[in-house]
Amino acid sequence: DAGVIQSPRHEVTEMGQEVTLRCKPISGHDYLFWYRQTMMRGLELLIYFNNNVPIDDSGMPEDRFSAKMPNASFSTLKIQPSEPRDSAVYFCASSLTGPGETQYFGPGTRLLVL
Amino acid sequence: ILNVEQSPQSLHVQEGDSTNFTCSFPSSNFYALHWYRWETAKSPEALFVMTLNGDEKKKGRISATLNTKEGYSYLYIKGSQPEDSATYLCAFYSGSARQLTFGSGTQLTVLP
Repeated sequence: DAGVIQSPRHEVTEMGQEVTLRCKPISGHDYLFWYRQTMMRGLELLIYFNNNVPIDDSGMPEDRFSAKMPNASFSTLKIQPSEPRDSAVYFCASSLTGPGETQYFGPGTRLLVL
Repeated sequence: ILNVEQSPQSLHVQEGDSTNFTCSFPSSNFYALHWYRWETAKSPEALFVMTLNGDEKKKGRISATLNTKEGYSYLYIKGSQPEDSATYLCAFYSGSARQLTFGSGTQLTVLP
C-alpha cells in the first residue's frame, strides 16, 4: 500500500490567493483527518470525516477554511482567501475504524503564504 | 479542552544511554493513549496504542507503560542510538472528545 498521499508537498502563494490541498487516504480506511502543525500550537485537528461525512469541524479556524470528501479516496482542504498566518504544515491522516485507533499520516503539505 | 502534557520538552543523551519521558493526561473517561515517533521533515509514525490500565508495550528497544488511574504513560528507550533522534508525541483519546488530543512532544537528540 502506498500509504496516505498528499499533494502538493510544498506550496508558496501570495496573500489573498486560493489554496487547495489534496489527500488520498489508505484504501479501506473509513476515517480521514486534517491536521495543522505550527510552532505555536503544535499538531491540531482541523476536521475529520467518517465514510465521507464530516463529523467534527470544530477545529476549522474560520470561514476561510473548508474541507470536502466527495468520495472514499479523495479529500480537499481549501483556504480562500489565504493569509500569512495560515503558513504551516498541513497533514492528512486516515484510520481504519475510528479516531481512537492508529492514525496513519501522510507526508504533509508545507504551505507558505507571503 | 483536554490537557495532554509531555515532559521534558527536549532531551539530549549520549549514544548507549537509556532514557524515558512522560505523558500526562486526564484520568477520567479514558479510552486510549497513543505514542507516535516524528522524525524531522517526515510525518508522525505510530509506535503504540494502549488501552488498558497496566498495559506494557514493546517494540525493539522502545517500550511504554500506562497508568490510567493516575493519568500518565512512560516511554522508555534502552541503549539509545542516533537514529532514535526524533520528537515523541503522545495523544489521548477520551470517549467524550471523539478526537485525538496531542501533547507538544519530547524532542530527543542522541549524540554519537
